[in-house]
Amino acid sequence: AQTVTQSQPEMSVQEAETVTLSCTYDTSESNYYLFWYKQPPSRQMILVIRQEAYKQQNATENRFSVNFQKAAKSFSLKISDSQLGDTAMYFCALIDGGSQGNLIFGKGTKLSVKP
Amino acid sequence: GAVVSQHPSWVICKSGTSVKIECRSLDFQATTMFWYRQFPKQSLMLMATSNEGSKATYEQGVEKDKFLINHASLTLSTLTVTSAHPEDSSFYICSAGTRTQPQHFGDGTRLSIL
Repeated sequence: AQTVTQSQPEMSVQEAETVTLSCTYDTSESNYYLFWYKQPPSRQMILVIRQEAYKQQNATENRFSVNFQKAAKSFSLKISDSQLGDTAMYFCALIDGGSQGNLIFGKGTKLSVKP
Repeated sequence: GAVVSQHPSWVICKSGTSVKIECRSLDFQATTMFWYRQFPKQSLMLMATSNEGSKATYEQGVEKDKFLINHASLTLSTLTVTSAHPEDSSFYICSAGTRTQPQHFGDGTRLSIL
């Protein structure tokens, strides 16, 4: 069975600083996709970044980047120059290549950005 | 703009009534949609996979007679919570996408059963 583990229930960071959120996963598939989603208090699910397992290059989106370690099955999210609007729940998620496309979520990390 | 629209955003109803939640894909045809449930301060749990023109696939432990899913067109999936009770109160959220494309989520429905 596929699993996604986020070991940090809560984290905080000062505005303008950098923070890294951890995620590990397990799947027997060789083809899969990894995602980070942000859920602010409004409860909207917002895609932050995605990574295809077959790509060795780490994905980046502006202030957000990932450290994808395929052998270690690790997929951490780095947020640079943290902003108050980054305060949210962050979910790491996996789509198994053998599935229809449903996301398997970790338990989430609550990130607070402090002024 | 939103690519997946979900309605209603919030519904309060009496115990025993049925509630229908709609999920529409606005910019693309979605042969597959997904329904998730989220309890407070918890993660999203997949309830069922909705397939256009065929029966939904339910996850283990989800009562298919309680949570009726219909996916009659390529742009609309509905979730009906039948004979709702207080324990069905939760946040329900749909998504649409494929294995290779990012999942787009609706804004969710907060269901409160009195």
